[in-house]
Amino acid sequence: GDSVTQMEGPVTLSEEAFLTINCTYTATGYPSLFWYVQYPGEGLQLLLKATKADDKGSNKGFEATYRKETTSFHLEKGSVQVSDSAVYFCALSPSGTGGFKTIFGAGTRLFVKA
Amino acid sequence: NAGVTQTPKFRILKIGQSMTLQCTQDMNHNYMYWYRQDPGMGLKLIYYSVGAGITDKGEVPNGYNVSRSTTEDFPLRLELAAPSQTSVYFCASTREGGSSGANVLTFGAGSRLTVL
Repeated sequence: GDSVTQMEGPVTLSEEAFLTINCTYTATGYPSLFWYVQYPGEGLQLLLKATKADDKGSNKGFEATYRKETTSFHLEKGSVQVSDSAVYFCALSPSGTGGFKTIFGAGTRLFVKA
Repeated sequence: NAGVTQTPKFRILKIGQSMTLQCTQDMNHNYMYWYRQDPGMGLKLIYYSVGAGITDKGEVPNGYNVSRSTTEDFPLRLELAAPSQTSVYFCASTREGGSSGANVLTFGAGSRLTVL
């Protein structure tokens, strides 16, 4: 079945460091791919998305590119801030399905130190 | 625009008690969902609804019930609470499902439930 695997956390970085959170997926066809972010005490919110191969999603300085050949959707940011401390979830929605088919990774907690 | 609103934010139950988690959305979304989030486990779908009067089971429905009498409301009922139901519960909605492309979920802030 479809699945999402993301790197285990926590990830601890100093402010202005480069961030990469790895995400790989298993799915048939061409799923939509997402990164959601969960700030402390809040629900998940969409960070960025990509709907087809080679698409790059971007938001708030974060980027991720839909790589069909490596089945990956790694999240990157060039310079993290303390305010980026949160839990990041990679997710996929199989092609031609509703949101009820969304599959989430286990989440990666990021701590950014001043 | 409130989005998805959940109540209560926190609740402690004794084993065997029952309760209802409330969820309402004001975006006229037709799809609504209940997830539970356990530490290190991501999110698991409990139940979902594709419109008023229509509900279906997700991955982990045992011990829960739902109803959808209106587009706006999607309450989750816990009968005979058990310690295994200790979790954070999230309600979410999407505008539409099917082959519309990216199905972006809008989440509520969550309800933390502890069963002792």
